[in-house]
This record gives sequence, structure tokens and C-alpha cells, in this order.
Amino acid sequence: GENVGLHLPTLSVQEGDNSIINCAYSNSASDYFIWYKQESGKGPQFIIDIRSNMDKRQGQRVTVLLNKTVKHLSLQIAATQPGDSAVYFCAEKIGGSQGNLIFGKGTKLSVKP
Amino acid sequence: NAGVTQTPKFRILKIGQSMTLQCAQDMNHNYMYWYRQDPGMGLKLIYYSVGAGITDKGEVPNGYNVSRSTTEYFPLRLELAAPSQTSVYFCASSLRPGTMNTEAFFGQGTRLTVV
Repeated sequence: GENVGLHLPTLSVQEGDNSIINCAYSNSASDYFIWYKQESGKGPQFIIDIRSNMDKRQGQRVTVLLNKTVKHLSLQIAATQPGDSAVYFCAEKIGGSQGNLIFGKGTKLSVKP
Repeated sequence: NAGVTQTPKFRILKIGQSMTLQCAQDMNHNYMYWYRQDPGMGLKLIYYSVGAGITDKGEVPNGYNVSRSTTEYFPLRLELAAPSQTSVYFCASSLRPGTMNTEAFFGQGTRLTVV
């Protein structure tokens, strides 16, 4: 079935550098996307969301970009810090559905000091 | 503000035993969800509810049951535990997703081992 996937399972960056985590989705009917951060032993925490009628949204140190043409979503983290080390998941909601989110497999971000 | 509270945090079951995973939220969210997360994997939706008295199957509902008698509580029941149900279970709640800032809030998880 159609689902959300990720290009890279792991990403290692130097502290202070910018990080880019990618996500590919295959369902063109998806109209809402969320990025979550999950630290070891904890539940996922919301980072940022975006609707399909937007192509960019910015938060504090994070930016989500949505390219509907190629069905691609990315999360950019500026000035990556050791506390950013976690697994990052993208999730999608299919338009017209009840609202349940479909999660991708996740990307593990490791920040080197 | 407690958010989403799950109990227990850890549990070991023998094959064939049953148990109920508890979930409560105090944010008056209509939507509640149960996910399972296997090691190194993403979250898979088991069941969800869009309001009291309404439940629906997710991606992996077999071997589980849910009920939603009130807005606050959404327990997950395992009737005959199997080793394949060894996983970390997350409960979440939200307003209706799709509009901005209606993200799901997750509990801390229940780590279940079936032996």
C-alpha cells in the first residue's frame, strides 16, 4: 500500500552544522504532514507541521519544506546541537480520511561534538 | 497539565495471558490512537477513535481490542498474548488533524514483553 518512507536511515552531522532529513511520500491525496522527534526511551514529540497548500513553514531553528511535485518533505535543523540527537519521523494524513496519521520508518540523527 | 498518561510503563506477560494497557488524556481531545513500535521501526497504528463510542481499526488491529466509553480514556486490550506482540505501545491524542497545530500528543509508552 502507499506509505511514507525515508531516503536515509541514519544521518551524522557535526555540532553547529545544519541538518537536512528527507522523507518521500507516495500518496498524492495526503494533505497534512508532521515531523516528530523521538528521543531514546520516550514518546514522539511534535516538531512542526505543514499543510499541502503550503510549501514552507518555519519554526524555531527548524524549517519544513514540502515539494508536492516530487512528493518530498524535508526537515531542516539549523545549527544542530547535541540535544537534537534523536530519531525523526515524518507522518502524513490522507485527505478525506478520518485523521489517522501514517508514520514513516524514521531517520536517526547523531550529532558529533 | 498531565497530557497523555499511560500505565503500566513495563510489563512481562506469558503467552496466552491477557492484559489491558491504560491510556488517559486530560486535554479534551476527541481523537485518540494506539500505536506499536517494534525495535528500530516506525509506529504502526493499531486502533484509533474519533470520539467517545467510536473506534476504528488501524493498520495492525489483529490480536487487540479497544473501547472508548468516555473522551478521557482509551484502553487497549490484549486477550491472548503472543510473542509477536512484544513491542513498545504508544497512546496518543489530538484534535482533528489536518488544520495547523492539531498535532498528536504522545504518552511515554508501555514496554511489553511476551515470553
